[in-house]
Amino acid sequence: GQQVMQIPQYQHVQEGEDFTTYCNSSTTLSNIQWYKQRPGGHPVFLIQLVKSGEVKKQKRLTFQFGEAKKNSSLHITATQTTDVGTYFCAGGNKLVFGAGTILRVKS
Amino acid sequence: DAGVIQSPRHEVTEMGQEVTLRCKPISGHNSLFWYRQTMMRGLELLIYFNNNVPIDDSGMPEDRFSAKMPNASFSTLKIQPSEPRDSAVYFCASRLYQMGQGVRQPQHFGDGTRLSIL
Repeated sequence: GQQVMQIPQYQHVQEGEDFTTYCNSSTTLSNIQWYKQRPGGHPVFLIQLVKSGEVKKQKRLTFQFGEAKKNSSLHITATQTTDVGTYFCAGGNKLVFGAGTILRVKS
Repeated sequence: DAGVIQSPRHEVTEMGQEVTLRCKPISGHNSLFWYRQTMMRGLELLIYFNNNVPIDDSGMPEDRFSAKMPNASFSTLKIQPSEPRDSAVYFCASRLYQMGQGVRQPQHFGDGTRLSIL
């Protein structure tokens, strides 16, 4: 079945440093969604990408969808302590979730 | 607007007992999902419904797990008998599904039920 792989599993950065998480699918995706889960919370929708090569920005967050629609990335510029949490990508008709990347930020 | 409502928020019970988790999706949403989250296995899709009909239950781990959606505003996930390895956070999520457009709607998650089986 469809699999969505996400790396890294965990990243600990100094406040102000950049952060990137990558998502790869075993099959072509019709769309990809990104979610953020704060510690103790539930996943919250951030954004959806649909078009090949699409790039979207939300303040310090930049989301990309690969040309082949099999990979995606989330980049955070100048991390802040409020960015702490787990970032998930999810794609496909059944919205298969990646394992998530846990981000910790040292202040 | 009320979001997805799950109950109970926490459940602690002894192995062998029946556990029932409840979910009320967002009004107007016609697609409902049950997930299980653990450190080891991440966020796993157990089952999802479209218009109250189970579409895919391939993620349901065993016959001990069952889910129902008797109407558009209520769903249950039942574990009978429960085992310690069922301990996890169980999330319910809903979204608006539109034929041909369904994949493009975000899911809205409830706060989850933290289940501990002793």
